[in-house]
Amino acid sequence: DIQMTQSPSALSASVGDRVTITCRASHLISNWLAWYQQKPGEAPKLLIYQASTLQSGVPSRFSGSGSGTEFTLTINGLQPDDFATYYCQQYNSYSVTFGHGTKVQVK
Amino acid sequence: QVQLQESGPGLVKPSETLSLTCVVSGYSMRRGDYWGWIRQPPGKGLEWVGSIYYSGTTYYRPSLESRLTMSLDTSKNQFSLNLNSVTAADTAAYYCARGIKDGGPYYFDYWGQGILVTVSS
Repeated sequence: DIQMTQSPSALSASVGDRVTITCRASHLISNWLAWYQQKPGEAPKLLIYQASTLQSGVPSRFSGSGSGTEFTLTINGLQPDDFATYYCQQYNSYSVTFGHGTKVQVK
Repeated sequence: QVQLQESGPGLVKPSETLSLTCVVSGYSMRRGDYWGWIRQPPGKGLEWVGSIYYSGTTYYRPSLESRLTMSLDTSKNQFSLNLNSVTAADTAAYYCARGIKDGGPYYFDYWGQGILVTVSS
C-alpha cells in the first residue's frame, strides 16, 4: 500500500492568513493526488485533483502543487468558511489511500 | 446533478453482516466510472473501503478483503456493500462516492451524505 503522510496534523490560523499543508507519499505517485475539505457532520468535498487542477466551483484562493512524492495545498487569504479538516488522497493505484488529515482551526 | 444516497441499518450486532446500499440519481451508472465506499470512524480520518467499476470489477482494501463483498445493479442504478463478521472496529460513518478516472485510477467527485453504522450488541 502507498502511505500518505500529512503535516501538520493541526494548525491555528487567522482570517486572511496564507496556509500551507503538506502531503508526502511513500512511493512515487506522479501527479495522481486529490485534496478534499471536510466540515463536521458533512461529507468530504473535492477541491483539487491531478495535484493542481481546481475542481469546478472551488474558489481560486485554493491551489495545489507538487509531483512525485511531495505535494502541497495552499490557501491564500483564509476565509471563515475555510476552517475545516483537509485530506489528501493518492490514486496512483486502484487501492487508493487517504492522508490522516489536517485540521485548520481558529487562532 | 449527480446525487448519491446511502441506506441501511444504523445498528448491527457483532459477528453479523453490515449491508449498505447506495442509490445514484441524476447520472446513469451504465456510462462508466468507479463507485466507492469510504468510511470514517468517529473522530478519525477517512479510510477507503473498496470500489467497483461499472463493469463489475472490484477493488478492496487489503485488510478487509476477506470480509468484504461489493456489487452493483445498473438497472436500479445502485451499488451495495456487504461486510461480514463485524466488530466494534467497523463502527463508522460510511460514505458512498463516484470515482472519476482521469489517467490515474480515480478520485471521488460526488459523495453521499453518509450513514453512521454502529456495531454493538
